[in-house]
Amino acid sequence: NAGVMQNPRHLVRRRGQEARLRCSPMKGHSHVYWYRQLPEEGLKFMVYLQKENIIDESGMPKERFSAEFPKEGPSILRIQQVVRGDSAAYFCASSPGGGSGTQYFGPGTRLLVL
Amino acid sequence: KNEVEQSPQNLTAQEGEFITINCSYSVGISALHWLQQHPGGGIVSLFMLSSGKKKHGRLIATINIQEKHSSLHITASHPRDSAVYICAVRLNSGGSNYKLTFGKGTLLTVNP
Repeated sequence: NAGVMQNPRHLVRRRGQEARLRCSPMKGHSHVYWYRQLPEEGLKFMVYLQKENIIDESGMPKERFSAEFPKEGPSILRIQQVVRGDSAAYFCASSPGGGSGTQYFGPGTRLLVL
Repeated sequence: KNEVEQSPQNLTAQEGEFITINCSYSVGISALHWLQQHPGGGIVSLFMLSSGKKKHGRLIATINIQEKHSSLHITASHPRDSAVYICAVRLNSGGSNYKLTFGKGTLLTVNP
């Protein structure tokens, strides 16, 4: 049973470009969480999704950031018109159910904005 | 003040030493997690606990709910234990108990 997969592992973008980060949850998991780890900062919750539904996006910046988890395929975190401050590690986690279950983390995507 | 505080921020030890990393939190929680992150690497969940003590190999995690404090201990430390150890709490807030709040991590370096 493969773990949580994220790709790409490293992504370099110039200011103003779009970044698309993908997360494939563990087999049988229908709940996905995205977290951001800024340099020298702790991880911060961004968004919680179930298949085709955004459950909680209270940690997402109001502009330029969006997330989806379609019925088929991976969850996507999309950042439009990236700025240098978006440079961070973005981690995805999945769980089989919501609530208080253990979340399993992916390897992360390191985004660098030049 | 952060809701989750870890100490120390950095810890250097010699191989074989007993290691303790502390985590204090200021909110009501339903569970506490200890996570491990290797430099440039992914995050591995070590423990989830809501009371008492758990042990896995050379790792031991304890929690005192009344004092809002948890410790992670590593016995007979080894250079491969070098990593960032992160404490995360799950808030006791009913419908949002999926949301994790993280400490900033403790960077552990174990020298041979």
